[in-house]
Parts: sequence; C-alpha cells; structure tokens
Amino acid sequence: NAGVTQTPKFQVLKTGQSMTLQCAQDMNHEYMSWYRQDPGMGLRLIHYSVGAGITDQGEVPNGYNVSRSTTEDFPLRLLSAAPSQTSVYFCASRGEGLAYNEQFFGPGTRLTVL
Amino acid sequence: AQSVTQLDSHVSVSEGTPVLLRCNYSSSYSPSLFWYVQHPNKGLQLLLKYTSAATLVKGINGFEAEFKKSETSFHLTKPSAHMSDAAEYFCVVSGWMDSSYKLIFGSGTRLLVRP
Repeated sequence: NAGVTQTPKFQVLKTGQSMTLQCAQDMNHEYMSWYRQDPGMGLRLIHYSVGAGITDQGEVPNGYNVSRSTTEDFPLRLLSAAPSQTSVYFCASRGEGLAYNEQFFGPGTRLTVL
Repeated sequence: AQSVTQLDSHVSVSEGTPVLLRCNYSSSYSPSLFWYVQHPNKGLQLLLKYTSAATLVKGINGFEAEFKKSETSFHLTKPSAHMSDAAEYFCVVSGWMDSSYKLIFGSGTRLLVRP
C-alpha cells in the first residue's frame, strides 16, 4: 500500500494563476479531506468528501474547489492563486474498521504564491 | 461545539528527562482524541488515539496519554526524552458536528530536546 500520496511536493505560483493539487489513496477509504497548515494555527479543514460524488465545505473553503469522481482521487483546485494561499497543504483519508477515526495523511504540498 | 487547546506553544526539555505536553478539550459528548507528531518538513504521524476504551492510552515511541473527563484533559507524556522526539505535536478532537464528521486541531506544541 502506498497510503496517501500527494503531488507536487513543492510549487511556486504567481498571483492569479490556477493549479490543481493531486491526492490519491489506495486504501479504499470513503472519507477524504484537505487541510492547510499555517504557523501557529494547526491544520484547518478546507474541503472534505464522504464518498465519490459527494463533497462539502470545511472551515476555510474560499478560493478552493474540489471534486470526487472516484474513491481513490480527491484533487484540490486553486482557481486564482493569492499570496494568502501560501501554505502547506495536506490531504488525508479516514480509516475504517480497526483503524476507524484514524486519519492517514499524505506528505504534503508546500505552495508559495508570489 | 468541540474545540481543543494546547496550553504551551513551545516546551524545552533535556534529553533523558520527562516530557509533558498539555491538551484540554471541549466537547458536548464523548470525543475521540488523538495526538499526532510532525517532524520538520514531514507529514503527520499518529502517535496514539483515545476512543472511549481504556483511559490510559499507550502509543508509539514510548508516549502515552491519559483521558481525564473531569478535567477535560488529554495530556501527552513520555518518561525520558530522546533527541529524536524533537518535533511538533498536535492534539486533535474528532466527532460529528453539524451533521458532518470533522477533525479539530490544536495549534501545536513544538518540543525542543537539549543534549
């Protein structure tokens, strides 16, 4: 099992550019989520999905879009990047069965918006 | 509403001395509680979790945490710190809020271990 994978690891954008952060998991988890991590603020939920075709907003959704066409993939789209979106982004999936409630995190994408 | 407060933004200990990282939570019902560790430029790794079984939870790398309902606390401890324990630690509460499952992260505690 690769677990949760994210690409790219690093990205630099100019203000106004758009891009997609990729996230995939091979554990057949239904629940997936995106967080951003900023210094002194822990992780904040951007969007989440409870299964293919179902997404919802988290705590800080503005400026981001998501879709969930398959169980495995949960991409995060920045529509028009702003310097305030400079952050580290983590994708996670939630375990089931014996690992119920346990979040499995990807390695993160470090994004800088100039 | 659920929330979690990590009482110290930084904790500094000497190698071989005990570690205490403090976490208080607020929840309207029995929560699930977690501690995650993040080493520099790495992702988050689960240390341990409490899900209403034993109140003393043992995790990886010698860490443990005790759930105290009367004090609404879930402090993380380790008897003897190693240099490799230097990292940032997050206390997390999870549960169903507004008809959806959510994780609430504390702001983190950075643990420094002095030689």
